[in-house]
Amino acid sequence: RKEVEQDPGPFNVPEGATVAFNCTYSNSASQSFFWYRQDCRKEPKLLMSVYSSGNEDGRFTAQLNRASQYISLLIRDSKLSDSATYLCVAQTSGTYKYIFGTGTRLKVLA
Amino acid sequence: NAGVMQNPRHLVRRRGQEARLRCSPMKGHSHVYWYRQLPEEGLKFMVYLQKENIIDESGMPKERFSAEFPKEGPSILRIQQVVRGDSAAYFCASSPRDSFTSYEQYFGPGTRLTVT
Repeated sequence: RKEVEQDPGPFNVPEGATVAFNCTYSNSASQSFFWYRQDCRKEPKLLMSVYSSGNEDGRFTAQLNRASQYISLLIRDSKLSDSATYLCVAQTSGTYKYIFGTGTRLKVLA
Repeated sequence: NAGVMQNPRHLVRRRGQEARLRCSPMKGHSHVYWYRQLPEEGLKFMVYLQKENIIDESGMPKERFSAEFPKEGPSILRIQQVVRGDSAAYFCASSPRDSFTSYEQYFGPGTRLTVT
Protein backbone atom coordinates (compact mmCIF):
# COMPACT_ATOMS: atom_id res chain seq x y z
CA ARG A 1 0.00 0.00 0.00
CA LYS A 2 1.34 3.44 -0.92
CA GLU A 3 2.01 5.79 1.96
CA VAL A 4 0.03 8.58 0.30
CA GLU A 5 -2.74 7.70 -2.11
CA GLN A 6 -4.70 9.84 -4.52
CA ASP A 7 -7.23 9.16 -7.23
CA PRO A 8 -5.25 9.86 -10.43
CA GLY A 9 -8.32 11.19 -12.28
CA PRO A 10 -8.59 12.87 -14.66
CA PHE A 11 -11.35 15.05 -13.35
CA ASN A 12 -12.94 16.93 -16.24
CA VAL A 13 -15.17 19.74 -15.00
CA PRO A 14 -16.79 22.78 -16.61
CA GLU A 15 -15.71 26.28 -15.75
CA GLY A 16 -17.40 27.52 -12.61
CA ALA A 17 -17.84 24.07 -11.13
CA THR A 18 -16.80 23.01 -7.65
CA VAL A 19 -14.47 20.04 -7.48
CA ALA A 20 -13.03 18.11 -4.55
CA PHE A 21 -10.04 15.81 -4.27
CA ASN A 22 -9.26 13.42 -1.46
CA CYS A 23 -5.96 12.01 -0.36
CA THR A 24 -5.35 9.28 2.22
CA TYR A 25 -2.21 8.63 4.19
CA SER A 26 -1.17 5.48 5.99
CA ASN A 27 1.38 6.77 8.50
CA SER A 28 -0.53 7.95 11.56
CA ALA A 29 2.60 9.81 12.70
CA SER A 30 2.27 12.21 9.77
CA GLN A 31 1.87 15.68 11.19
CA SER A 32 2.02 18.13 8.34
CA PHE A 33 0.29 18.09 5.02
CA PHE A 34 0.49 20.16 1.91
CA TRP A 35 -1.15 20.53 -1.46
CA TYR A 36 1.10 21.36 -4.39
CA ARG A 37 0.17 22.11 -7.93
CA GLN A 38 2.23 20.81 -10.82
CA ASP A 39 1.76 21.97 -14.37
CA CYS A 40 2.94 19.74 -17.17
CA ARG A 41 6.73 19.29 -17.05
CA LYS A 42 7.13 22.05 -14.47
CA GLU A 43 8.16 22.10 -10.83
CA PRO A 44 5.63 21.58 -8.01
CA LYS A 45 4.37 24.85 -6.58
CA LEU A 46 3.01 25.15 -3.07
CA LEU A 47 -0.71 25.71 -3.11
CA MET A 48 -1.65 25.32 0.53
CA SER A 49 -0.32 24.03 3.81
CA VAL A 50 -2.73 22.07 6.00
CA TYR A 51 -1.51 22.01 9.59
CA SER A 52 -4.48 21.44 11.85
CA SER A 53 -8.14 21.39 11.10
CA GLY A 54 -7.77 22.89 7.67
CA ASN A 55 -7.63 26.29 6.07
CA GLU A 56 -9.02 28.40 3.29
CA ASP A 57 -7.34 30.60 0.69
CA GLY A 58 -9.68 32.30 -1.72
CA ARG A 59 -11.39 29.65 -3.84
CA PHE A 60 -9.37 26.85 -2.24
CA THR A 61 -10.20 25.04 0.98
CA ALA A 62 -8.18 22.23 2.51
CA GLN A 63 -9.50 19.99 5.27
CA LEU A 64 -7.75 17.45 7.46
CA ASN A 65 -9.48 14.47 9.05
CA ARG A 66 -6.99 12.80 11.38
CA ALA A 67 -9.38 10.10 12.54
CA SER A 68 -9.83 8.83 9.01
CA GLN A 69 -6.36 9.86 7.89
CA TYR A 70 -7.31 11.86 4.89
CA ILE A 71 -7.06 15.39 3.63
CA SER A 72 -9.14 17.05 0.99
CA LEU A 73 -8.88 19.96 -1.37
CA LEU A 74 -11.95 21.84 -2.55
CA ILE A 75 -11.80 24.22 -5.48
CA ARG A 76 -14.79 26.52 -5.98
CA ASP A 77 -15.65 28.41 -9.15
CA SER A 78 -13.08 26.52 -11.23
CA LYS A 79 -11.08 28.49 -13.77
CA LEU A 80 -9.42 27.24 -16.94
CA SER A 81 -6.11 28.13 -15.30
CA ASP A 82 -6.79 25.63 -12.51
CA SER A 83 -6.08 22.81 -14.97
CA ALA A 84 -3.06 21.01 -13.53
CA THR A 85 -2.03 18.01 -11.45
CA TYR A 86 -2.62 18.42 -7.72
CA LEU A 87 -0.11 16.67 -5.48
CA CYS A 88 -0.86 15.64 -1.92
CA VAL A 89 2.14 15.61 0.42
CA ALA A 90 2.58 14.19 3.93
CA GLN A 91 5.46 15.08 6.21
CA THR A 92 6.12 13.35 9.53
CA SER A 93 7.05 15.45 12.52
CA GLY A 94 10.70 14.97 13.41
CA THR A 95 11.58 14.17 9.82
CA TYR A 96 11.83 16.44 6.88
CA LYS A 97 11.25 14.57 3.69
CA TYR A 98 8.08 14.80 1.74
CA ILE A 99 6.06 11.76 0.79
CA PHE A 100 4.14 12.59 -2.36
CA GLY A 101 1.01 11.09 -3.76
CA THR A 102 1.07 10.41 -7.48
CA GLY A 103 -1.23 13.35 -8.11
CA THR A 104 -4.76 14.01 -9.32
CA ARG A 105 -5.20 15.51 -12.77
CA LEU A 106 -7.77 18.25 -13.18
CA LYS A 107 -8.95 19.61 -16.51
CA VAL A 108 -11.32 22.56 -16.47
CA LEU A 109 -13.31 22.82 -19.68
CA ALA A 110 -14.60 25.99 -21.31
CA ASN B 1 14.46 37.47 -4.54
CA ALA B 2 15.68 34.54 -6.60
CA GLY B 3 14.06 31.20 -6.10
CA VAL B 4 15.70 27.80 -6.18
CA MET B 5 17.96 27.55 -9.19
CA GLN B 6 18.91 24.41 -11.01
CA ASN B 7 21.16 23.83 -13.96
CA PRO B 8 21.32 22.57 -16.50
CA ARG B 9 17.62 22.49 -17.28
CA HIS B 10 18.11 19.74 -19.83
CA LEU B 11 20.94 17.24 -19.94
CA VAL B 12 21.54 14.51 -22.48
CA ARG B 13 24.04 11.81 -21.71
CA ARG B 14 25.01 8.56 -23.41
CA ARG B 15 24.94 5.36 -21.41
CA GLY B 16 28.04 5.08 -19.27
CA GLN B 17 28.72 8.81 -19.00
CA GLU B 18 28.48 10.89 -15.86
CA ALA B 19 25.74 13.41 -15.10
CA ARG B 20 26.18 16.35 -12.73
CA LEU B 21 23.13 18.29 -11.62
CA ARG B 22 23.46 21.54 -9.70
CA CYS B 23 21.12 23.25 -7.27
CA SER B 24 21.40 26.61 -5.57
CA PRO B 25 18.87 27.03 -2.76
CA MET B 26 16.84 30.14 -2.10
CA LYS B 27 18.68 32.89 -0.29
CA GLY B 28 18.68 32.20 3.41
CA HIS B 29 17.89 28.51 3.01
CA SER B 30 20.48 26.04 4.18
CA HIS B 31 18.57 22.78 3.67
CA VAL B 32 18.45 21.08 0.31
CA TYR B 33 16.41 18.09 -0.82
CA TRP B 34 16.60 16.15 -4.06
CA TYR B 35 13.62 14.35 -5.58
CA ARG B 36 13.29 12.28 -8.71
CA GLN B 37 10.22 12.05 -10.89
CA LEU B 38 10.15 9.20 -13.37
CA PRO B 39 7.84 9.54 -16.38
CA GLU B 40 4.18 9.21 -15.37
CA GLU B 41 5.12 8.70 -11.71
CA GLY B 42 5.12 10.75 -8.53
CA LEU B 43 8.08 12.49 -6.96
CA LYS B 44 10.31 10.30 -4.80
CA PHE B 45 12.66 11.58 -2.11
CA MET B 46 16.33 10.88 -2.72
CA VAL B 47 18.51 12.80 -0.27
CA TYR B 48 18.50 15.61 2.27
CA LEU B 49 21.58 17.74 2.85
CA GLN B 50 22.71 20.65 4.92
CA LYS B 51 25.94 22.51 4.32
CA GLU B 52 28.78 19.95 4.30
CA ASN B 53 26.50 17.23 5.72
CA ILE B 54 24.34 14.49 4.31
CA ILE B 55 21.46 14.14 6.75
CA ASP B 56 19.43 11.42 5.06
CA GLU B 57 20.24 9.53 1.89
CA SER B 58 17.72 6.74 2.39
CA GLY B 59 16.14 7.39 -1.01
CA MET B 60 19.36 7.26 -2.99
CA PRO B 61 20.16 4.19 -5.06
CA LYS B 62 23.06 2.37 -3.42
CA GLU B 63 25.35 2.57 -6.40
CA ARG B 64 26.34 5.25 -8.88
CA PHE B 65 24.50 8.10 -7.12
CA SER B 66 26.09 10.60 -4.77
CA ALA B 67 25.27 14.08 -3.49
CA GLU B 68 27.10 16.89 -1.79
CA PHE B 69 26.44 20.39 -0.52
CA PRO B 70 29.79 22.07 0.05
CA LYS B 71 30.42 25.06 2.26
CA GLU B 72 30.68 27.23 -0.83
CA GLY B 73 28.76 26.70 -4.02
CA PRO B 74 25.71 24.75 -5.09
CA SER B 75 24.56 21.30 -4.12
CA ILE B 76 25.57 18.66 -6.65
CA LEU B 77 23.80 15.43 -7.49
CA ARG B 78 26.15 13.16 -9.35
CA ILE B 79 25.18 10.07 -11.31
CA GLN B 80 28.00 7.91 -12.57
CA GLN B 81 27.76 5.49 -15.48
CA VAL B 82 24.22 6.53 -16.35
CA VAL B 83 21.73 3.99 -17.67
CA ARG B 84 18.49 4.51 -19.57
CA GLY B 85 16.49 3.99 -16.37
CA ASP B 86 18.06 7.15 -14.92
CA SER B 87 16.12 9.25 -17.44
CA ALA B 88 13.85 11.39 -15.30
CA ALA B 89 13.21 14.88 -13.98
CA TYR B 90 15.36 15.68 -10.96
CA PHE B 91 13.97 18.39 -8.71
CA CYS B 92 15.78 20.19 -5.97
CA ALA B 93 13.92 21.87 -3.12
CA SER B 94 15.09 24.09 -0.31
CA SER B 95 13.75 24.98 3.09
CA PRO B 96 14.81 27.48 5.71
CA ARG B 97 14.18 25.24 8.71
CA ASP B 98 15.98 22.37 10.29
CA SER B 99 15.07 18.72 10.22
CA PHE B 100 12.99 18.76 13.39
CA THR B 101 10.38 21.24 12.32
CA SER B 102 8.01 20.75 9.49
CA TYR B 103 8.19 23.49 6.95
CA GLU B 104 7.36 24.15 3.38
CA GLN B 105 9.82 23.25 0.69
CA TYR B 106 10.27 25.33 -2.44
CA PHE B 107 11.17 23.64 -5.66
CA GLY B 108 13.51 24.53 -8.46
CA PRO B 109 12.57 24.14 -12.13
CA GLY B 110 14.19 20.74 -12.34
CA THR B 111 16.78 19.11 -14.57
CA ARG B 112 15.46 16.75 -17.21
CA LEU B 113 18.00 14.03 -17.78
CA THR B 114 17.78 11.97 -20.92
CA VAL B 115 20.06 8.97 -21.33
CA THR B 116 20.48 7.76 -24.88
